[in-house]
Amino acid sequence: GAVVSQHPSRVICKSGTSVKIECRSLDFQATTMFWYRQFPKQSLMLMATSNEGSKATYEQGVEKDKFLINHASLTLSTLTVTSAHPEDSSFYICSASFAAGAYNEQFFGPGTRLTVL
Amino acid sequence: KNEVEQSPQNLTAQEGEFITINCSYSVGISALHWLQQHPGGGIVSLFMLSSGKKKHGRLIATINIQEKHSSLHITASHPRDSAVYICAVRSGEGPLPSGGGADGLTFGKGTHLIIQP
Repeated sequence: GAVVSQHPSRVICKSGTSVKIECRSLDFQATTMFWYRQFPKQSLMLMATSNEGSKATYEQGVEKDKFLINHASLTLSTLTVTSAHPEDSSFYICSASFAAGAYNEQFFGPGTRLTVL
Repeated sequence: KNEVEQSPQNLTAQEGEFITINCSYSVGISALHWLQQHPGGGIVSLFMLSSGKKKHGRLIATINIQEKHSSLHITASHPRDSAVYICAVRSGEGPLPSGGGADGLTFGKGTHLIIQP
């Protein structure tokens, strides 16, 4: 099956620093990648949708200047949390889908747990 | 916006019992996912379905489009089935517009399942 990896799996950083999270599709070309956030005991919430080579579409309430998304290739999307604060501590999960023009299954990465001190 | 409700929120059962987890949603969908999230956070896609029934091993997923309802069944449950099971839907009907831009999923809050030996 399709495999999606994320790096790092866990990161702890100081308040005010920026953190980059990578999401890679290992054995397929992902035309679309999604970024989700999950707070403890909460369901996943979509943050943004990114298509290779174009700007990401952010969900309402998600600050695009704070959560920078780059989808530079068909196998890599990055999420950068800029000037992180403790309230950004969360579990970030990406998923990837392929074949534009039809709905395909999303394949999820293992997630990145961010802790901002 | 689609509202996704799962029941029960928590379920503890004995090994071998037949398990049913329910999911209902408020707006027509084009696809419904059942996902499994283990304590470490990683998510595995169990099923994607838009009609009827699918079976994989001891897992069975059904969906009733008219009633906006889906169920996930686990037969002969085992302690290793202990996890959070999440229902997620893609709203709307029909294929995506060409050029990508797939919509993200809307998630239920999950059902925390514990199977005791």
